[in-house]
Amino acid sequence: DGGITQSPKYLFRKEGQNVTLSCEQNLNHDAMYWYRQDPGQGLRLIYYSQIVNDFQKGDIAEGYSVSREKKESFPLTVTSAQKNPTAFYLCASSFGETQYFGPGTRLLVL
Amino acid sequence: GIQVEQSPPDLILQEGANSTLRCNFSDSVNNLQWFHQNPWGQLINLFYIPSGTKQNGRLSATTVATERYSLLYISSSQTTDSGVYFCAATFQTGANNLFFGTGTRLTVIP
Repeated sequence: DGGITQSPKYLFRKEGQNVTLSCEQNLNHDAMYWYRQDPGQGLRLIYYSQIVNDFQKGDIAEGYSVSREKKESFPLTVTSAQKNPTAFYLCASSFGETQYFGPGTRLLVL
Repeated sequence: GIQVEQSPPDLILQEGANSTLRCNFSDSVNNLQWFHQNPWGQLINLFYIPSGTKQNGRLSATTVATERYSLLYISSSQTTDSGVYFCAATFQTGANNLFFGTGTRLTVIP
């Protein structure tokens, strides 16, 4: 089954804790992206990667980190430096201009 | 700065009615896409339309790049059309970071 998978669906973070969100795609897409969505808002770009072992900051990269060791995987770590991490996180991939999105992960702070 | 503005912010329709959603953007676009976000958060790509007109079933979209706007038409609306519609654009040739509008929330009532 081709597509983009994200896990977990829900994630709870304690104060001072780093958490990692998984994003995997089997579409053979070169580019991958992480977006954050706050309630009632559009999506904002956190990080993107156009090729393995390379990634760039988006508009709101502070408090987040990524890696791109494999073409299929683009995990996002929400660090303790991100003071307001509660949001819906969406991963996407693209081949050419069109982006395709995963089902998202909802992160809540305890 | 770069802006993507959508109108109206909310729209309530009777099943079977038609509607037009508008997206204005602040600069020349390289990439313009329309997405539908369902109530569970999944984003589905509807159209890649940096210029011209496209149709897909009951949906069609028109982008007039020289006047910096795009329109999404929904005809004979159904309850399954409910959700949030986003337009998103890239503003620099070769850049893949999409800027999203804040969306139009559509509710179709039976």
